[in-house]
Amino acid sequence: DTAVSQTPKYLVTQMGNDKSIKCEQNLGHDTMYWYKQDSKKFLKIMFSYNNKELIINETVPNRFSPKSPDKAHLNLHINSLELGDSAVYFCASSPNQGNQPQHFGDGTRLSIL
Amino acid sequence: AQSVTQPDIHITVSEGASLELRCNYSYGATPYLFWYVQSPGQGLQLLLKYFSGDTLVQGIKGFEAEFKRSQSSFNLRKPSVHWSDAAEYFCAVGARGTASKLTFGTGTRLQVTL
Repeated sequence: DTAVSQTPKYLVTQMGNDKSIKCEQNLGHDTMYWYKQDSKKFLKIMFSYNNKELIINETVPNRFSPKSPDKAHLNLHINSLELGDSAVYFCASSPNQGNQPQHFGDGTRLSIL
Repeated sequence: AQSVTQPDIHITVSEGASLELRCNYSYGATPYLFWYVQSPGQGLQLLLKYFSGDTLVQGIKGFEAEFKRSQSSFNLRKPSVHWSDAAEYFCAVGARGTASKLTFGTGTRLQVTL
């Protein structure tokens, strides 16, 4: 069973469109994250939710809106997609205790044409 | 603010040779430290972690890392590299506390020659 699953795995779309990426974890974790990995493989935190509450919100354009319907899901909606949004987006989860590692999904490769 | 430096962008080793990947961190207190590996087209897999206690930590796939507070380092080692170890390796630091964000280094790409 996949612990952290993201859909879709690949997403190709036109500039200006709106798209969503879904993430689900079956580990019973309380905290979920979104990371962005750019073309140079650099990984940077975007958001984190703990029990459906937003707790980390890095400097990210407000075109990006995370939504957590329950603690097992954290979706990422992106409005008015731009060329610079092309990247691999990783979802991760961790237990509430601070000394536990994060588990990552396989990523969603977003390509903007 | 926490930060991580991986000085080596790309390393090539022969199969069977030993490996050391360097990682230096900046953090105001004792951090949580991690090494993750990413194979092409895959997500990140945790190799090992340091939270406290013994400064030499063992991980999966025969990897180990040593936390050296005086040098702010957490270098990853493996005594004998296998061709399947070729991948991208990321060092990360996390703040203590619940739901801490991870700050990643820029990664080191490992190539293994036969």
